[in-house]
Amino acid sequence: DAGVIQSPRHEVTEMGQEVTLRCKPISGHNSLFWYRQTMMRGLELLIYFNNNVPIDDSGMPEDRFSAKMPNASFSTLKIQPSEPRDSAVYFCASSSRGSDTEAFFGQGTRLTVV
Amino acid sequence: ILNVEQSPQSLHVQEGDSTNFTCSFPSSNFYALHWYRWETAKSPEALFVMTLNGDEKKKGRISATLNTKEGYSYLYIKGSQPEDSATYLCALGGSNYKLTFGKGTLLTVNP
Repeated sequence: DAGVIQSPRHEVTEMGQEVTLRCKPISGHNSLFWYRQTMMRGLELLIYFNNNVPIDDSGMPEDRFSAKMPNASFSTLKIQPSEPRDSAVYFCASSSRGSDTEAFFGQGTRLTVV
Repeated sequence: ILNVEQSPQSLHVQEGDSTNFTCSFPSSNFYALHWYRWETAKSPEALFVMTLNGDEKKKGRISATLNTKEGYSYLYIKGSQPEDSATYLCALGGSNYKLTFGKGTLLTVNP
């Protein structure tokens, strides 16, 4: 397996534009996590899914953020409209079971909103 | 809100030194404790996942211990090498699949 695949690797967009980040988890993994990494807060959990169902989205900062997992092999994180303070590295991770199994991370998407 | 605290925030050691750092977490609702190694410009990679009080795990020169009753885990690196330089993250796993990360300890090993 190629691991967790995220796209794009880098995204530069103007304030107010819609941004969509994509993630393909490892085949067979049933938990998927979206994290945001910033200098101030470290690695923050935004939302996670189990068997394609959102379990906890309490980490999503605002209504401008939304995430979907239409099937077991694909998830999106959307920001609409984007703002400069959304600039960060966004990681997707998947695991095969619950929190007693290791999470595998994608390479991240570095988002810059100007 | 779960607080996963790591200390120290950063650490500089000389090549060959042994070192250790701490992860503290609330002992209630414990399910699992993870350690990850995160090199610059890469993504975090799992080192250990521990679930039982008293667990000790080892991978080469790196080992970890777990005390769930008092809510802490130690990560030890024996004979540090420059390639050990990275941020070491711990994460608390809850029964609801959630993984909450600490802010990490940045280790720099000077040759």
